[in-house]
Amino acid sequence: GAVVSQHPSRVICKSGTSVKIECRSLDFQATTMFWYRQFPKQSLMLMATSNEGSKATYEQGVEKDKFLINHASLTLSTLTVTSAHPEDSSFYICSATDIDKAFFGQGTRLTVV
Amino acid sequence: AQTVTQSQPEMSVQEAETVTLSCTYDTSENNYYLFWYKQPPSRQMILVIRQEAYKQQNATENRFSVNFQKAAKSFSLKISDSQLGDTAMYFCAFMKRTGTASKLTFGTGTRLQVTL
Repeated sequence: GAVVSQHPSRVICKSGTSVKIECRSLDFQATTMFWYRQFPKQSLMLMATSNEGSKATYEQGVEKDKFLINHASLTLSTLTVTSAHPEDSSFYICSATDIDKAFFGQGTRLTVV
Repeated sequence: AQTVTQSQPEMSVQEAETVTLSCTYDTSENNYYLFWYKQPPSRQMILVIRQEAYKQQNATENRFSVNFQKAAKSFSLKISDSQLGDTAMYFCAFMKRTGTASKLTFGTGTRLQVTL
């Protein structure tokens, strides 16, 4: 199956700083990628849809100025958590979706201290 | 909008036994895909099995099979000959068939524990 690489797997940052998470589709071109957030022992919640060459589409309740998404190429989407606060601590997962199946990155555990 | 419901927060099964995880969904779409994903402690999402809604035949992948009832909007996962490595969180998911990339809608998950 296709491989999606997400980096970093873990990051600890101080309150007020920004953190960038990368999601790469290694063996197919992904015009669309998805970013999910997962709280402990809960399901995956879609945050935004990342579209190559255009603005991301955010789900209701997700602050677009806090969670900046850039999809500059067919193989790379980035999520930047700006001015991070402890409540942003969570597990973030990206997905590159083909027509009929989705492939997931390894996830990033973000801890804001 | 689509919703996916998993009514069993936790399940336990003994090694070598069979277990069935339940999933129901609600949609007005006629063309879609259904998935079961496994999330072990590593938290990597692993595709277990996939079903195309326009196919009546239930999908099977080795020890994993589904019971897909389109009219009832039910999509259960049967795991045969359970192994310790099957211990994980299992998510049922729905994807609309659009011809382009589409998002997944997940259920709340079922935590499966396989015991000796």
